[in-house]
Amino acid sequence: AQTVTQSQPEMSVQEAETVTLSCTYDTSESDYYLFWYKQPPSRQMILVIRQEAYKQQNATENRFSVNFQKAAKSFSLKISDSQLGDAAMYFCALLNSGGGADGLTFGKGTHLIIQP
Amino acid sequence: NAGVMQNPRHLVRRRGQEARLRCSPMKGHSHVYWYRQLPEEGLKFMVYLQKENIIDESGMPKERFSAEFPKEGPSILRIQQVVRGDSAAYFCASSPHYRDEQFFGPGTRLTVL
Repeated sequence: AQTVTQSQPEMSVQEAETVTLSCTYDTSESDYYLFWYKQPPSRQMILVIRQEAYKQQNATENRFSVNFQKAAKSFSLKISDSQLGDAAMYFCALLNSGGGADGLTFGKGTHLIIQP
Repeated sequence: NAGVMQNPRHLVRRRGQEARLRCSPMKGHSHVYWYRQLPEEGLKFMVYLQKENIIDESGMPKERFSAEFPKEGPSILRIQQVVRGDSAAYFCASSPHYRDEQFFGPGTRLTVL
């Protein structure tokens, strides 16, 4: 069975600063996808960024980028120039391309606080 | 293109009643997933369905819970004889292909009194 671990229950950052959220995972599969989802107080799950495991290049979406270390099974999210609207719960998630459960496996989340 | 629709957004039931949660996937999506989120927790996968078929129900409790995705109409997650421990947010997601990016609905918050 695959697992996803987010070791930071809560993180706080000053507006305009940079913050990194940690995520480690475990899977026996060699091909999989990794995702970061944002859940604001509205509870809507919003995809922030995705990474295919077979790609060595780290994914980037505007102010959001990842540091994907396949050998270490690590997938951290970096948010640059933090904005008040970034305040939310952030969930790391894993989806195997082949075997295992057909659904996403989520971590427990990191609550990100943006200090004005 | 409308997103994933879920209704109701909030549902209150008394212990022993039945809860029916509905999910309409995005247009063109034939893959539907249900997840449950308990307070202070991440989402937990429950079941994966394609039209008229349950493909993977490995995360579904063995009793009282069932799901369907008929040829016509929304997917339904049904919880019979609800108990207080069923209180949670239930999310539906859909994808255009197998093992592809999933798009989430706004969730249904179930409260069992």
